[in-house]
Amino acid sequence: VLTQSPGNLSLSPGDTVNLSCRTSQSVSSNYVAWYQQKHGQAPRLVISGASTRAAGIPERFSGSGSGTDFTLTISRLEPDDVAVYYCHQYGNSPYTFGPGTKLDFK
Amino acid sequence: QPQLQESGPALVKPSETLSLTCTVSGDSISTSRRYWGWIRQSPGKGLEWIGSVYSTGNSFHNPSLKSRLSFSVDTSKNLFSLSLTSVTAADTAVYYCARHARPLTTVSELDFWGPGTPVTVSS
Repeated sequence: VLTQSPGNLSLSPGDTVNLSCRTSQSVSSNYVAWYQQKHGQAPRLVISGASTRAAGIPERFSGSGSGTDFTLTISRLEPDDVAVYYCHQYGNSPYTFGPGTKLDFK
Repeated sequence: QPQLQESGPALVKPSETLSLTCTVSGDSISTSRRYWGWIRQSPGKGLEWIGSVYSTGNSFHNPSLKSRLSFSVDTSKNLFSLSLTSVTAADTAVYYCARHARPLTTVSELDFWGPGTPVTVSS
């Protein structure tokens, strides 16, 4: 089971945010990904292997963590970052997703 | 850059079989050495991995759906398909197909997704 916190965030452009993802059991080899899902769109890969940015993802996005605790950090928030962010563990089958953190602006 | 497109009925009656197809362009199912997956998203259950299939037909399933689930691959048309039997309202969701990024394993992030197709189970 994956839990994400907070469930909702309302921030300002330029802010830095840390999104948390916790797993109920340790994820082997840090097989954790983060996805960004904008309204009406499919999820888009942001981070894989806990800390590797996907192609085309700005350096403002970074991932960290190991074991059962993982974090997605977004620096210098921009209006285009408004989305729901999901973590995903693919180290233990069945692969599972967190419930998401909704990020929007004040 | 691969592009994936789901297709299938928007409405399915309870107890019937849901069949969906994912057509791939910009990559070859038969030579990419990658697994291809199905994921669904519903308001009640969030994102749920359904299962993944290889070009040979080898597949992995979510145990919660395994008894109702089957996959097929048509390499000549570069597509793969999902069949889910005995559907109920709980199967109402947006269904996505996606590609596993790393070759020869499902232990991999999903790097390219289709836009999704909404499916409602209702009489």
